[in-house]
Formats: sequence, C-alpha cells, structure tokens
Amino acid sequence: NAGVTQTPKFRVLKTGQSMTLLCAQDMNHEYMYWYRQDPGMGLRLIHYSVGEGTTAKGEVPDGYNVSRLKKQNFLLGLESAAPSQTSVYFCASSYGSFYQPQHFGDGTRLSIL
Amino acid sequence: KQEVTQIPAALSVPEGENLVLNCSFTDSAIYNLQWFRQDPGKGLTSLLLIQSSQREQTSGRLNASLDKSSGRSTLYIAASQPGDSATYLCAVTLLKYGNKLVFGAGTILRVKS
Repeated sequence: NAGVTQTPKFRVLKTGQSMTLLCAQDMNHEYMYWYRQDPGMGLRLIHYSVGEGTTAKGEVPDGYNVSRLKKQNFLLGLESAAPSQTSVYFCASSYGSFYQPQHFGDGTRLSIL
Repeated sequence: KQEVTQIPAALSVPEGENLVLNCSFTDSAIYNLQWFRQDPGKGLTSLLLIQSSQREQTSGRLNASLDKSSGRSTLYIAASQPGDSATYLCAVTLLKYGNKLVFGAGTILRVKS
C-alpha cells in the first residue's frame, strides 16, 4: 500500500542551491498536486497537473517549477532556494478533478539556511 | 478571496468527552467541503467529504455538518479517545479560482487519558 511516496523526507539547503523533490503515486491517478504548509497557515497550492505532460500554476507558484513526464511522477524544483521557501511540502494525487478526494504523501521538510 | 477559519486553534479534552470543531468560510460558492486529519510528521488523511448539496456526513464516531448559507461546518467527535489526538483541517473546493482546495490552518486536538 505505497500510495503517494515523497523523496526525500528531510533536506537542508543553503540559499541559492537548487534541488528537486520527487513525488510518486501508484494509484493510476490523473491529477497530482504540490502544496506547502507553513506554521499557522493552511496548505497552499503551488502547482498541479491534470495529466501526464501537463502542469498549471496554483496559488503560490513563484520560485518553483514542476514537471510531469510520467503519469506516476510529479517533480517539484527549486532553481535558487531562498529562506522563504523553508516549509513542509506535500504532494497529493486524485483520481479525477479537484472534486475527488486527494491522497497525500507524508511530506518533505525543507530548510533553507 | 476565499478565507477558511478554524476555531479553536487548539483544544484539550479528557478522554470520553464529546467535542465539536468549527470551520467557517467566506465564500459560499463551494463545490464541497472536506475534513482531514494530520498526525505529527505525516500527511493528510481525508475523513469526510460533504458535497454542497448535502447537509451532513457520518463515519463511525465522526459527524460533519455543512451549512452553506451561513458558511459554516462542524466536525463532531463522539466519545473522544487518546488516539483521536491530531490536527484536524477543513478545506473547501471552490467553484471559481480553478476549482482548487482552500485550507484552514487547523485545530490541534489533544485527548488526555
């Protein structure tokens, strides 16, 4: 029962470094999402994808890029990390649209020094 | 802009007590509302999803109600147990803004044995 798997679970970066967060799902879901969760705030949508080869901007897309080359994978990239991007990042997937229940991974804790 | 507010921010109750968590939203043009549970260091687990045409949903000891006209939802937990200790988040799916989920900041629940 893998569901949604996020890699890595923890990471510390220096300002200006780049990295890629990987999300993999084994439920054959069409939709995938990247959120960030900050203290005292709810989850905010960064980018999402409605199918292989597609991506779209969410509420807070600046400073992030994404790719969906394979249906089961959704990558989130930080080209030049900034301290403001310190957060917990969650990936989710759903069978259909936003109307369908989303299944979440366990998150990636990212600290930018 | 849609805002989702959860009150209280934290709640501590003795085991066995019935409790109510509150969620309010400013824009009543929603498609559905979901309640999630988040355990420390983990992702979100969907508990209940209420469509805009529904008034309530039940799952075991959990009952969620929705009053779209007043912009309110409640999550009722009966006979609380220490295992219910977690953060509970509500989220609404908007008909506009690209049909995305908007989350509240959550209520941290602690059930004392």
